[in-house]
Amino acid sequence: ETGVTQTPRHLVMGMTNKKSLKCEQHLGHNAMYWYKQSAKKPLELMFVYNFKEQTENNSVPSRFSPECPNSSHLFLHLHTLQPEDSALYLCASSQGQGPFSYEQYFGPGTRLTVT
Amino acid sequence: DAKTTQPTSMDCAEGRAANLPCNHSTISGNEYVYWYRQIHSQGPQYIIHGLKNNETNEMASLIITEDRKSSTLILPHATLRDTAVYYCIVRVASFGNEKLTFGTGTRLTIIP
Repeated sequence: ETGVTQTPRHLVMGMTNKKSLKCEQHLGHNAMYWYKQSAKKPLELMFVYNFKEQTENNSVPSRFSPECPNSSHLFLHLHTLQPEDSALYLCASSQGQGPFSYEQYFGPGTRLTVT
Repeated sequence: DAKTTQPTSMDCAEGRAANLPCNHSTISGNEYVYWYRQIHSQGPQYIIHGLKNNETNEMASLIITEDRKSSTLILPHATLRDTAVYYCIVRVASFGNEKLTFGTGTRLTIIP
């Protein structure tokens, strides 16, 4: 148990559906992240939020829309996805308050399948 | 952030020390070395980090060469639960640079 929870753990959606992934951290951290891990590929950073402000968008297509209403919650809204978007989506958090906030704590991930 | 090179896979007998190497020959003076691992179908887990001194915690030891061009992660008494992909990452630890760049890592298999 890392203090970072993600729901749902598994999601199957059609290409025309709209769904959302939720992440919640109970660690008092100020930075939150979305990563994507496709089969046989390294983890790819998608978005970074520091103190609720988006500080990184790693050229992610607009069909992925993040939302960070407060420092404890992070959402990833999904719409009109493609089958190649099927992957494990991981959320992480870190202290985010300066150069000594090294560790990121990851949630268990949401396994997304787009049909 | 500097690039790292790790072996694709390694085996280690249960109960023995597992030594995982990482080459980071282009590391700069303000970059730290981090190690994470990912057990199958779980999120990555932080293990340890260091700048230039050797470091030890309850999970592992990190040995960094004097020129900082390479490092070794040591799991002193490997168990079957240590089977995972191990990632060596170097990055500048500064405010606003929070991102980790994962490579392909080393797949460590602990053999009973």
